[in-house]
Amino acid sequence: QITLKESGPTLVKPTQTLTLTCTFSGFSLSTSGVGVGWIRQPPGKALEWLALIYWNDDKRYSPSLKSRLTITKDTSKNQVVLTMTNMDPVDTATYYCAHSSLIGIVGSLDYWGQGTLVTVSS
Amino acid sequence: IQLTQSPSSLSASVGDRVTITCRASQGISSYLAWYQQKPGKAPKLLIYAASTLQSGVPSRFSGSGSGTDFTLTISSLQPEDFATYYCQQLNSYLLLTFGGGTKVEIK
Repeated sequence: QITLKESGPTLVKPTQTLTLTCTFSGFSLSTSGVGVGWIRQPPGKALEWLALIYWNDDKRYSPSLKSRLTITKDTSKNQVVLTMTNMDPVDTATYYCAHSSLIGIVGSLDYWGQGTLVTVSS
Repeated sequence: IQLTQSPSSLSASVGDRVTITCRASQGISSYLAWYQQKPGKAPKLLIYAASTLQSGVPSRFSGSGSGTDFTLTISSLQPEDFATYYCQQLNSYLLLTFGGGTKVEIK
């Protein structure tokens, strides 16, 4: 049974750096083809993909946010960490992590965490 | 690559056949997925690889298309299908993109 859960601050100040952790179980991020991604959703708005890290440490970022994002993994802890620098009120959103695979589901996201709401305000 | 969904919202009745379109700004592979999202919940994968039904998803959902035009069809809308639907693609650079969403409301 695959589960993922996001954790991190619920409130950050403008210009601060956000660090979110995705802790997962039921799969290994060392298995060929597997990836974990981050997606966000501002209140009342659409989903936006942020970043994805694959089993081989290949990292992909949204072109529009690439300069602000860093994604890393700790395979031994079953965790993926996303950092986003220079936070702004427009970054207020629910942040999700999700399981992906290049095999089978070919790049889609089949298991999602419950999401964590991050508010950016002074 | 941009994904444009249409319509952005629609009203339909239980039992109706509903079709949602996702158009890519340039030709993409068939690595296109569809998700259903209900308020306050995480998205749920319905279809991947343009037309493959995810395990456990009712057969009234189907996907089709290739190139730049893809569709999600609900053959007979059920009360639990009122939600927002998103398409998502994976391009050759392993970058993901989501469409803007289609909200399906009760008529």
